[in-house]
Amino acid sequence: DIQMTQSPSSLSASVGDRITITCRASQTIDTFLNWYQQKPGKAPKLLIYSASSLQGGVPSRFSGSGSGTDFTLTISGLQPEDFATFFCQQSYTTPWTFGQGTKVEI
Amino acid sequence: EVQLVESGGGLVQPGGSLRLSCAASGFIVSSNHMSWVRQAPGKELEWVSIIYSDGQTSYADSVMGRFTISRDNFKNTLNLQVSSLRDEDTAVYYCAIWGHSTWSLEYWGQGTLVTVSS
Repeated sequence: DIQMTQSPSSLSASVGDRITITCRASQTIDTFLNWYQQKPGKAPKLLIYSASSLQGGVPSRFSGSGSGTDFTLTISGLQPEDFATFFCQQSYTTPWTFGQGTKVEI
Repeated sequence: EVQLVESGGGLVQPGGSLRLSCAASGFIVSSNHMSWVRQAPGKELEWVSIIYSDGQTSYADSVMGRFTISRDNFKNTLNLQVSSLRDEDTAVYYCAIWGHSTWSLEYWGQGTLVTVSS
């Protein structure tokens, strides 16, 4: 199985900050990398697919980049509603696997 | 509007069974790839199973032979029969649409909690 490792596991930030979350795959996955946001008690929400494509309705302050094994999710200008846990997920091959999550806190 | 509503979760003893359902509206289940993903309390997400629009299925090794994914085209519902349950199957189970073009989990339901305990 492809292992997905996110860093950091958690981070503290303030409204207006620019933050970056990284995700590393244990083998190359081209750009088959997706990012999700999950708020407490809620289902995950797709933010970014194919490493850098913004899902419809997602604010443009979210962006993704990377290919191969190393990927990043950047939030430019953190908003109060952005405080949540973020997961990466590879869709290169089954079993689809997720990172352990990055919790973004105030 | 796309909507997914899971049901069928509950408390079950080790070795027991449940049938989880995911009622869909706003789209046709059989025309889409549909997946189940679970999340144990405080843990990361774990992909469980997928049924493709052509009917082919795939499972995580951890549930192979114990879980069965299916769909009811008449009811426009996705199902997951979970059997031989173990403590480690305790989780919130989400159904989701696997996007044809995005190759990602595009829409998710709110989940149903399965608790395996004696």
